[in-house]
Amino acid sequence: QSALTQPRSVSGSPGQSVTISCTGSTSDVGGYGYVSWYQQHPGKTPQLMIYDVTKRPSGVPDRFSGSKSGNTASLTISGLQAEDEAQYYCCSYAGSYTVIFGGGTKLTVL
Amino acid sequence: QVQLVESGGGVVQPGGSLRLSCAASGFFFSNYDMSWVRQAPGKGLEWVAVITYDGTTENYADSVKGRFTISRDKSKNTLYLQMHSLRAEDTAVYYCVKPRAEMSTVNFDFWGQGTLVAVSS
Repeated sequence: QSALTQPRSVSGSPGQSVTISCTGSTSDVGGYGYVSWYQQHPGKTPQLMIYDVTKRPSGVPDRFSGSKSGNTASLTISGLQAEDEAQYYCCSYAGSYTVIFGGGTKLTVL
Repeated sequence: QVQLVESGGGVVQPGGSLRLSCAASGFFFSNYDMSWVRQAPGKGLEWVAVITYDGTTENYADSVKGRFTISRDKSKNTLYLQMHSLRAEDTAVYYCVKPRAEMSTVNFDFWGQGTLVAVSS
């Protein structure tokens, strides 16, 4: 049960787009269509931003989108805004009632 | 509205035990697999355990297997996490989490506020 691999940090200027990657294996990301992404601001609880790889819960801006290719999932945030600055975590089902998170990526809006 | 309220955290010595509770309301608790997720201070999220909606299946992260037990009481709409043989590395905020869909193990759309467990001598 190794954590999914995410870059420790990414950054972008307001209005730009950034993509956060999440690399796993055929046993998790590549093997199932159950990748989710969470946003966590300092001192707050995580918020679900993307589920089932590409779906957005109601209330999440359409600037947030998800995708997957092979064993790597990605979260893309377009039209960056200051309030997007936060920690982002990917998460995947890994079979047999097992769930695994990524190590987290800190997004800085310059 | 959905509410998940954790309790039971505190300071415990290494090797000690603690039981966390999560009181759920605002949704049909008996239809949802429920999980615990923890976050060590300044660190990332770690899935800890899951119990299926009917209580027949449990699973655990390797880091807690054999020491932690997840359970649920449908009559009280409450989720539990019994923790034994606690170690310093178990120090974390423990979140009770609910998935979006019934009988699903993933996609956590509601998180409790968390309860802090500190293992220290």
